[in-house]
Amino acid sequence: DGGITQSPKYLFRKEGQNVTLSCEQNLNHDAMYWYRQDPGQGLRLIYYSQIVNDFQKGDIAEGYSVSREKKESFPLTVTSAQKNPTAFYLCASSIGQGVPYEQYFGPGTRLTVT
Amino acid sequence: GENVEQHPSTLSVQEGDSAVIKCTYSDSASNYFPWYKQELGKRPQLIIDIRSNVGEKKDQRIAVTLNKTAKHFSLHITETQPEDSAVYFCAAIFYSGGYQKVTFGTGTKLQVIP
Repeated sequence: DGGITQSPKYLFRKEGQNVTLSCEQNLNHDAMYWYRQDPGQGLRLIYYSQIVNDFQKGDIAEGYSVSREKKESFPLTVTSAQKNPTAFYLCASSIGQGVPYEQYFGPGTRLTVT
Repeated sequence: GENVEQHPSTLSVQEGDSAVIKCTYSDSASNYFPWYKQELGKRPQLIIDIRSNVGEKKDQRIAVTLNKTAKHFSLHITETQPEDSAVYFCAAIFYSGGYQKVTFGTGTKLQVIP
């Protein structure tokens, strides 16, 4: 299960607090992604990044922010502006060199906000 | 943008029977089609993929077929086993403007009954 890691596995926060989810990869992949998964639902794209210092909004970016200061790291901050932040968050990476390749997923972080 | 529809949303089969999951996509630019298996609480993992220059690909009990004209692709699992029970996601991917565009289907929950 090495290659892409997320921490922590479980995270509990009070409403109104910002929280940052960690994602690290040692696969030397250029592209990284954040997805949100709700119970019984598919994968919805929050943000993605092709290279360092560049990132793009996905389908549900409102209430989230990201940074890509290093190739290996793509942290996601869930802000207090996100109305329903409780979900399973998955980070993924891909080679990203002009030809589509599979995405490798991290183990996920389950965030609960009360 | 790309839209991927996946059917059925749930599927129950007897152990030993075959299972078929179908996906349709809308953007003819999509040229890479991976299938992921996600067990409960775990990360999605690639089980098979196909590129647009190929019509069919097999890997032991798993096969994927692609019909580019009709814009649909299917996952076939033969001789199903209880450990095949999971949620399966299809995806359609292409490269545009320097970014890998990924769209997932909504998932199929497969239950294999012993």
